[in-house]
Amino acid sequence: GENVEQHPSTLSVQEGDSAVIKCTYSDSASNYFPWYKQELGKGPQLIIDIRSNVGEKKDQRIAVTLNKTAKHFSLHITETQPEDSAVYFCAAPAGSYQLTFGKGTKLSVIP
Amino acid sequence: EPEVTQTPSHQVTQMGQEVILRCVPISNHLYFYWYRQILGQKVEFLVSFYNNEISEKSEIFDDQFSVERPDGSNFTLKIRSTKLEDSAMYFCASSEAGGRRSEKLFFGSGTQLSVL
Repeated sequence: GENVEQHPSTLSVQEGDSAVIKCTYSDSASNYFPWYKQELGKGPQLIIDIRSNVGEKKDQRIAVTLNKTAKHFSLHITETQPEDSAVYFCAAPAGSYQLTFGKGTKLSVIP
Repeated sequence: EPEVTQTPSHQVTQMGQEVILRCVPISNHLYFYWYRQILGQKVEFLVSFYNNEISEKSEIFDDQFSVERPDGSNFTLKIRSTKLEDSAMYFCASSEAGGRRSEKLFFGSGTQLSVL
């Protein structure tokens, strides 16, 4: 089955700086890689995703890069703001109908 | 914006009791899921459901668990005889597409289950 590793587990950045979270996956057949943001007391919310036919996707301050050869993908948040503080999860398909999630990264943006 | 709703937000039960967690998926979605998250750990897949049957389930989803779509809007998770280790946040999710085209899962806010 798919195994997803996520680093770091915690990340503190100053407001305005960039944050990068990295994930690796094991199944070379995986073709879809979403990132979820989870705020306290809420369910995971999809913030960006990428398919294996592209190497990078950007949405305003958030970008995701994918290296299929190395089997890793990364989330980049630029110009971080306090409201970016949350737990971020990467995920990859683990079967026909399920996602396997990474262990999460707690991002703290310090004003 | 359409959202997945879950009730109750918190459920406390005694070990050995049955619980039913309820979810209303987004109305035009066809695929439904349950995931759980033990405190401080990652989100884990339990089961997926499509066309009134289970399409995939994990090792966690043993005979104590069952799912049902009793009507056109609700999707439920039943735990027949709860154990202490069932204490977790349970998330319902839904998506328009499924299978290897699974994408854009929309999660509810979860039900925090505490088994005493």
